[in-house]
Amino acid sequence: GENVEQHPSTLSVQEGDSAVIKCTYSDSASNYFPWYKQELGKRPQLIIDIRSNVGEKKDQRIAVTLNKTAKHFSLHITETQPEDSAVYFCAANSGGSNYKLTFGKGTLLTVNP
Amino acid sequence: DAGVIQSPRHEVTEMGQEVTLRCKPISGHDYLFWYRQTMMRGLELLIYFNNNVPIDDSGMPEDRFSAKMPNASFSTLKIQPSEPRDSAVYFCASSFGGYSDTQYFGPGTRLTVL
Repeated sequence: GENVEQHPSTLSVQEGDSAVIKCTYSDSASNYFPWYKQELGKRPQLIIDIRSNVGEKKDQRIAVTLNKTAKHFSLHITETQPEDSAVYFCAANSGGSNYKLTFGKGTLLTVNP
Repeated sequence: DAGVIQSPRHEVTEMGQEVTLRCKPISGHDYLFWYRQTMMRGLELLIYFNNNVPIDDSGMPEDRFSAKMPNASFSTLKIQPSEPRDSAVYFCASSFGGYSDTQYFGPGTRLTVL
């Protein structure tokens, strides 16, 4: 089955700096890569996703890049703010379904004021 | 819309007892997912349904776990008998399907098995 590795497991940055979280996946048939944000004690919420037919997608301060050849994708957060502090999960689909997601283990991002 | 609704929000039970977790998906969504989240294993897909039919249950850990979706607005995840290692947060999520793959998660049920 699909295996998704996520690094780093923890990341601490100063407010205003950029943060980058990287993921690799194993299933070459994967074509859908969402990122979820989970605040402490809350539910995961989708923040951005990318499909294999594009290499990059941006939404305000958040961007995701995808390298299908290398089987890795990354989340970039610019101008970080304290409210960006949360656990971020990457995921990849598998089994030929956009709905069967395998999640990375998560990155705890702390933005220090 | 109220979003995905789960009940109970917290459940504490003793080993060997039956546990039933409930989920109401967002109206109009035809995909429903059950996930389990633990510190050790992260967020794992247990099973998902499309139009009330189970599509993939390969993530269900063992026969003690079962899930049903009798209609489009209700699903249950049952553990019988429960064990301490089942302690986790269980999330239900739903998705509209079609071009939108976004999964909307419920608030979760925190299960503690003593």
